[in-house]
Amino acid sequence: QVQLQESGPGLVKPSETLSLTCTVSGGSISTYYWSWIRQPPGKGLEWIGYVYYSGRTNYNPSLRSRVSLSLDTSKNQFSLKLNSVTGADTAVYYCAREEALRWFDPWGQGALVTVSS
Amino acid sequence: QSVLTQPPSASGTPGQRVTISCSGSSSNIGSNTVSWYQQLPETAPKLLIYSDNQRPSGVPDRFSGSKSGTSASLAISGLQSEDEAEYHCAAWDDSLNGWVFGGGTKLTVL
Repeated sequence: QVQLQESGPGLVKPSETLSLTCTVSGGSISTYYWSWIRQPPGKGLEWIGYVYYSGRTNYNPSLRSRVSLSLDTSKNQFSLKLNSVTGADTAVYYCAREEALRWFDPWGQGALVTVSS
Repeated sequence: QSVLTQPPSASGTPGQRVTISCSGSSSNIGSNTVSWYQQLPETAPKLLIYSDNQRPSGVPDRFSGSKSGTSASLAISGLQSEDEAEYHCAAWDDSLNGWVFGGGTKLTVL
């Protein structure tokens, strides 16, 4: 079955760019929507955005000015970049496959990213 | 503050039936399907209910979902200790043109 795995630095300095990659195994990235979702410590889930296999993107309005999503079909990966980070961006970041604006399944195991100098 | 409203906590004893609510508006729950996710401690969320009331393969029929107007509910019958987890609801929001989540409900099995 399809599995997702996040990778990237666990520590990012304030004002720098957070970069994460999600590797998809057991299926092709060339279908579906692919989303990023984050969860600050002790808080609820927040959708960051999705990238469609065609390359079309859609972002959470509250993060739109700082976020960029892309995908690499040759590597079966999709990526997140969030610039100008602050402590408020400290969170566990999850990648997930999205079923046409209806549900998320499966999810990656999550990657904790801490923003600190 | 989350767009969808869930109670922060719920509890029950083994064997009991527990219900968790999720309240939204006409632009999200009122016009799109609701999904529910179970998040066991220190793990990633897992799809529990999709399209308001459908269970993925492998999810016990003790879990059920329903929706009426701009509110949805998750019911767990025959509560078990392994059901102790956080539960999240989600829906697409047509006004925001994005996904919205509830704040999560932490379920304790007493």
